[in-house]
Amino acid sequence: EAQVTQNPRYLITVTGKKLTVTCSQNMNHEYMSWYRQDPGLGLRQIYYSMNVEVTDKGDVPEGYKVSRKEKRNFPLILESPSPNQTSLYFCASSWDPDYEQYFGPGTRLTVT
Amino acid sequence: SQQGEEDPQALSIQEGENATMNCSYKTSINNLQWYRQNSGRGLVHLILIRSNEREKHSGRLRVTLDTSKKSSSLLITASRAADTASYFCATDVMNTGFQKLVFGTGTRLLVSP
Repeated sequence: EAQVTQNPRYLITVTGKKLTVTCSQNMNHEYMSWYRQDPGLGLRQIYYSMNVEVTDKGDVPEGYKVSRKEKRNFPLILESPSPNQTSLYFCASSWDPDYEQYFGPGTRLTVT
Repeated sequence: SQQGEEDPQALSIQEGENATMNCSYKTSINNLQWYRQNSGRGLVHLILIRSNEREKHSGRLRVTLDTSKKSSSLLITASRAADTASYFCATDVMNTGFQKLVFGTGTRLLVSP
């Protein structure tokens, strides 16, 4: 089954404790991206990747890192999480931005 | 900054009525996409319309695109309670030589039985 998986689905952590949210897709897509969703602000792109080893900042990259060492995986790293990073995070993949995006189920992160 | 802005922010209708949502964007595009999101879940692709198209249909969905006004509309006909969701438009934007997809803030649709 074609899908995008994210782990964990829910995470409660404390300020400053490094964490990684994993994202994996099984469709051999080249384009992957991370979004955060906050009430009233819609989806805002954090980072995106056009292919292996090719990444670029989205609209809200501060406080986040990404890597794309393999085509199927695109982890999101928070080196020192802060409460303002409490949000709902989505990973998405597609052949490129001109095509349908496939979204993961979301990761709800709470930073206390 | 947001490329797409949906209007209205919220819409409440009765089953059987039509629902119309609008999206305005700022820069030239290659295509515009519409997505649906059920509460707290991942977005699901509904329809894509290319810049050289003016109208597209998919089941009860009708999308129009007016590139001269930089706007699009999504019409859901004969709405059902199951259509209750948030709807987002997304447009492609060139950024530092790469193309990326940017989402609007969404329209929350409530369809009452």
